Amino acid sequence: GEDVEQSLFLSVREGDSSVINCTYTDSSSTYLYWYKQEPGAGLQLLTYIFSNMDMKQDQRLTVLLNKKDKHLSLRIADTQTGDSAIYFCAESMDSSYKLIFGSGTRLLVRP
Amino acid sequence: DAGVTQSPTHLIKTRGQQVTLRCSPKSGHDTVSWYQQALGQGPQFIFQYYEEEERQRGNFPDRFSGHQFPNYSSELNVNALLLGDSALYLCASSPPDDSYEQYFGPGTRLTVT
Repeated sequence: GEDVEQSLFLSVREGDSSVINCTYTDSSSTYLYWYKQEPGAGLQLLTYIFSNMDMKQDQRLTVLLNKKDKHLSLRIADTQTGDSAIYFCAESMDSSYKLIFGSGTRLLVRP
Repeated sequence: DAGVTQSPTHLIKTRGQQVTLRCSPKSGHDTVSWYQQALGQGPQFIFQYYEEEERQRGNFPDRFSGHQFPNYSSELNVNALLLGDSALYLCASSPPDDSYEQYFGPGTRLTVT
């Protein structure tokens, strides 16, 4: 079945690294995504990874994919107060165009 | 380069009424998807339009319908509104040949009273 799970909340101190985790159930996932949503706003595509990759790095963001354990993580280096937001993990599968989202992880960055 | 735009920003309707939401995709994009995001939840896929046809549909009743125009813009229509339809409605657009890459607009906040 289709299910994406995330922890609800993460609090870090400014300048530290943040790691947001996600698990998914469907092994036929093709792409896995991270989106950011600030209060009252739409979703911003941060990055995505194809299922045959283990890692993708983009400036302060590092995505790790463990396909065996169906586990995806997003690491934000040198976390800033502007990174405070809700982060959504999502998956899409072969021959399907819909994105399946988790419930989101609220990241709070303390000064 | 304009991103995905949606109108209106906010809308208040009464139970039983009908509503139309609008979306203009990012420049160069030809595919539009619609999602419903209830408070505190992740977005749920409603449907996707490509070449003016509904290409895929999520688990939403027939009260939810859509349309795509030749300029790739799209409308979402909801009939016989229920209180449970109150949500943020998000439109996402995708570039040609890469419908897996979806860019979202700011959303329309619909409140049904």
